[in-house]
Amino acid sequence: GPKVLQIPSHQIIDMGQMVTLNCDPVSNHLYFYWYKQILGQQMEFLVNFYNGKVMEKSKLFKDQFSVERPDGSYFTLKIQPTALEDSAVYFCASSKTGGAREQYFGPGTRLTVL
Amino acid sequence: TQTVSQSDAHVTVFEGDSVELRCNYSYGGSIYLSWYIQHHGRGLQFLLKYYSGNPVVQGVNGFEAEFSKSDSSFHLRKASVHWSDSAVYFCAVRGNNYAQGLTFGLGTRVSVFP
Repeated sequence: GPKVLQIPSHQIIDMGQMVTLNCDPVSNHLYFYWYKQILGQQMEFLVNFYNGKVMEKSKLFKDQFSVERPDGSYFTLKIQPTALEDSAVYFCASSKTGGAREQYFGPGTRLTVL
Repeated sequence: TQTVSQSDAHVTVFEGDSVELRCNYSYGGSIYLSWYIQHHGRGLQFLLKYYSGNPVVQGVNGFEAEFSKSDSSFHLRKASVHWSDSAVYFCAVRGNNYAQGLTFGLGTRVSVFP
């Protein structure tokens, strides 16, 4: 089936540094999402991105977070500066349309902030 | 806001057994429900969804789920499990605003023994 790729699979950085998580969504998909899962907790929605704009974001999507997808390349989540509580697995997802279309998920990027 | 509860953290079954994974939700309006499976180290894979129509929906690999508005439930079932069904299963819900992303349960780990 369609695959969403995420690069890197693991990232370890020092608190205060910037990090960019990369997502290669399914090629003809138009809606992109980021989710965050802290170990042992539920996966939680961060942000939805469509047509170059953030459509919706949750309270977890702090001011230090930003997303973009320049010219159809990777869909990225940037955190600047990082904090200890940003340590989690970040999952990217994409869907062809909004509505009732299913979301396809990547394998996640494990981010560790020291 | 919507919430999702998966009452069983871990279920152990033998190959050929049937299994039912429970999912209860709370949400007042029209709802989109889905189940995902996550094998170790991989991304979430879509199993099935319900939005309207027949409350019993069929998914991949012999899975089915039944929506019950009166019970606020969307339980997942399989008549005869295979060892490859060992994974974590996530129930997810979303309201009418697709841009809000999915709300996930904590997941149920299924271990299938030969």
